[in-house]
Amino acid sequence: AQRVTQPEKLLSVFKGAPVELKCNYSYSGSPELFWYVQYSRQRLQLLLRHISRESIKGFTADLNKGETSFHLKKPFAQEEDSAMYYCALFIQGAQKLVFGQGTRLTINP
Amino acid sequence: GAGVSQSPRYKVAKRGQDVALRCDPISGHVSLFWYQQALGQGPEFLTYFQNEAQLDKSGLPSDRFFAERPEGSVSTLKIQRTQQEDSAVYLCASSYPNGGEAFFGQGTRLTVV
Repeated sequence: AQRVTQPEKLLSVFKGAPVELKCNYSYSGSPELFWYVQYSRQRLQLLLRHISRESIKGFTADLNKGETSFHLKKPFAQEEDSAMYYCALFIQGAQKLVFGQGTRLTINP
Repeated sequence: GAGVSQSPRYKVAKRGQDVALRCDPISGHVSLFWYQQALGQGPEFLTYFQNEAQLDKSGLPSDRFFAERPEGSVSTLKIQRTQQEDSAVYLCASSYPNGGEAFFGQGTRLTVV
C-alpha cells in the first residue's frame, strides 16, 4: 500500500536554528516525492520536488531510497518559514498524490 | 484569475441537506482532482478527471458523493444527504497530466450541523 508518514505533527525551533521535517514513505514503485506548504490563510502550494533537486527558499530535500525517506531541511530557519508542511507521494499510474498528515512548523523569534 | 477558484468558500449545511461545491481550474489544465481534508489531517484523494472523463473515483467515501466535469473545465462535487462526518475542507486541484505538481484552490469548508 502507498503511505506517507510524517511523524511530527508539531515542530518548534528558534530563528536561525537548523530545521528538519521528517517524511517516510511506503511504495513499491519508483517514487516521485514532493513537499507542499500552506502558509497562514493561503492555499496549499508546491515547495519542491525531488526530481528537480533544487533549493527553494533555502529548503532542500534528498530522496533516500534505502531509508525510504524524503526529509526537508533548512540550515537557518526564518520566521516566515512558519507554516504547515505536507510531504506527498505521486502515484504515476493513478495520477494522484498521497499526502502525509502534515507538520506544523513554528519558528520562534 | 490565474489560479484555481472554488466556491463557496464556506458552507454550512443541515444534516440531510444536499450540497454542491464548484471548482474552476486553471485554463488549459487537463487534470482535475478533488481531495477531502479533515481537521488535523492531510488531504485525502477523492476523485480524478482527465478532461471530462472521470478516470478514478476510488476515493469517494460513499455513493452519496458524486463528481462531474461535463465539458472538461468546471467541476462540481455533489454530496447528497450530508452527514456530520462529511464536515471537512474540500480541495480542488488542477494540473497538466503526468505530473505531481498540482495547483490547489483555497478550498471549501463544509460544516454539517
